[in-house]
Amino acid sequence: EPEVTQTPSHQVTQMGQEVILRCVPISNHLYFYWYRQILGQKVEFLVSFYNNEISEKSEIFDDQFSVERPDGSNFTLKIRSTKLEDSAMYFCASRGIYQPQHFGDGTRLSIL
Amino acid sequence: AQKVTQAQTEISVVEKEDVTLDCVYETRDTTYYLFWYKQPPSGELVFLIRRNSFDEQNEISGRYSWNFQKSTSSFNFTITASQVVDSAVYFCALSIVGGDDKIIFGKGTRLHILP
Repeated sequence: EPEVTQTPSHQVTQMGQEVILRCVPISNHLYFYWYRQILGQKVEFLVSFYNNEISEKSEIFDDQFSVERPDGSNFTLKIRSTKLEDSAMYFCASRGIYQPQHFGDGTRLSIL
Repeated sequence: AQKVTQAQTEISVVEKEDVTLDCVYETRDTTYYLFWYKQPPSGELVFLIRRNSFDEQNEISGRYSWNFQKSTSSFNFTITASQVVDSAVYFCALSIVGGDDKIIFGKGTRLHILP
């Protein structure tokens, strides 16, 4: 069964550094998402992306965040200048038309 | 605005007992999806079910069953004859059909199945 792939599984970064989290959505999917889960808390929506542009973003998704689909297969989340509070699990998801979102296994981001 | 409430923060039951996880949701939209996800200790989100708001039929899948009651805005999840492998955090969630499509999660219920 096709799946959403996220790399790396764990990323450790110094505060203030830029980080890029990578996702390979399922190949025929058209809608892409990023969610965040701070340790022990609920999963929160960050951003949705369709037709090469952001469809919606949450309050969390401020100017430090950006998303990109640089080629036909990858979907990335960039945090420009990381803060301690950016430490969380980040989930990528994708879906086809009328289909439920499929989640990747997540990237655990640790900011030191 | 939409909201999902899982009032049970943590539940512990002995193996083979049945357990029900409660979920109450709020939305003014008439067409929406409800979900349950399982998050084992390894951290990934495992999709369990999606229900359309027009389909109030209860669903059973093996030891899992779901009770959708629009009148009380609830979508409860029952595990029958629980097993240790069922230990996980379970999230109930909601998304609006035709809307912004984001999934709104509850805070989760941590389920401990004791051997």
